[in-house]
Amino acid sequence: GAGVSQSPSNKVTEKGKDVELRCDPISGHTALYWYRQSLGQGLEFLIYFQGNSAPDKSGLPSDRFSAERTGGSVSTLTIQRTQQEDSAVYLCASSLGWTGGINTGELFFGEGSRLTVL
Amino acid sequence: LAKTTQPISMDSYEGQEVNITCSHNNIATNDYITWYQQFPSQGPRFIIQGYKTKVTNEVASLFIPADRKSSTLSLPRVSLSDTAVYYCLVGDIGNFGNEKLTFGTGTRLTIIP
Repeated sequence: GAGVSQSPSNKVTEKGKDVELRCDPISGHTALYWYRQSLGQGLEFLIYFQGNSAPDKSGLPSDRFSAERTGGSVSTLTIQRTQQEDSAVYLCASSLGWTGGINTGELFFGEGSRLTVL
Repeated sequence: LAKTTQPISMDSYEGQEVNITCSHNNIATNDYITWYQQFPSQGPRFIIQGYKTKVTNEVASLFIPADRKSSTLSLPRVSLSDTAVYYCLVGDIGNFGNEKLTFGTGTRLTIIP
């Protein structure tokens, strides 16, 4: 697609349930980021992928959070046993990554997945 | 990783020039300065990026002094549609594999009619 696509756009779940959030980056973008944004707050870094590997997982809030990326494209963020404090907008961004040439490293964001845990 | 500090909020009237300053005292030699804009219910979008001196594009200007310890985003003749949150980021764009690209809380700019 033309931009970063995220699904679902809205998810309401009950406490204790597992949820999966999907991100489809811009074709050809090797770098993929997940952020979390609580109401009125800034963006909290969660995880970064370069290709299929995630060199930095330290931003994941707890072991209930996991993410994978297969085929260097689509990524899934999974939250197990959701808690009310997990309620937030989860934003995905992709980037060309470092090409060795002129590159601003610009991040292209999706519209986000709004998660509400009741 | 260079930490940035910005004002939490700013108000301005339509038609005025708005300057938002970001402090980044620990900026490293390879770090670039990037600004993003975020409207409600949307993801942030890239505005401008610079390394030193002045950069201008169709949307904004970015002023960076010689010591690079701060930067100023300048929005000319703002309109109501410029009401948004503006984030300043500092990072080595050639080394994104080791960067968390932390956004911080940003500056909430409100344009008054």
